[in-house]
Amino acid sequence: DAGITQSPRYKITETGRQVTLMCHQTWSHSYMFWYRQDLGHGLRLIYYSAAADITDKGEVPDGYVVSRSKTENFPLTLESATRSQTSVYFCATEGVTYNEQFFGPGTRLTVL
Amino acid sequence: GQNIDQPTEMTATEGAIVQINCTYQTSGFNGLFWYQQHAGEAPTFLSYNVLDGLEEKGRFSSFLSRSKGYSYLLLKELQMKDSASYLCAVRMSGSARQLTFGSGTQLTVLP
Repeated sequence: DAGITQSPRYKITETGRQVTLMCHQTWSHSYMFWYRQDLGHGLRLIYYSAAADITDKGEVPDGYVVSRSKTENFPLTLESATRSQTSVYFCATEGVTYNEQFFGPGTRLTVL
Repeated sequence: GQNIDQPTEMTATEGAIVQINCTYQTSGFNGLFWYQQHAGEAPTFLSYNVLDGLEEKGRFSSFLSRSKGYSYLLLKELQMKDSASYLCAVRMSGSARQLTFGSGTQLTVLP
């Protein structure tokens, strides 16, 4: 039981294609987050969710869409991928009683 | 928005002590976190400070001064496995648990 998983772990796609990155947790944590990590920028928040059906934009939301119909899943969709979206994407969760975010293993996305 | 500063790179010797500093903007501050990230892996939680003072956890300690907008992570008895990136992150009051991360400090431990 891995706690938080991401799929795929690696993805190569082409400019203009739609891509969905999956995030699944088994802890029933209320909060879920999507970050991207690029050299020189550290981790930047794309979108977050405080509970099922509650989502909001982070620092860099343009070009991304999220949904959260179930507590355990938080998919991130790139509607029309661009080269600038080549990055490592991390999903994270946090429970209400915690002060700690738990990170998934990451998805390395390359947009050609 | 929040602006977090930490050194880009640091080098230290095995067995030594190293201090990684982090400064942030104090307005609306509601907690400071340190994460460790090995190359190619996910960040893992090291510490959380919300009150002034030193929190010790084994070889790692974290210090916070809220009035100065300053924190440091202290690593003692350095080991080769401590070579990693150390990320400072700040939580703002009123946020839904969002964190703003610094760019990270790449620590290299030499034999």
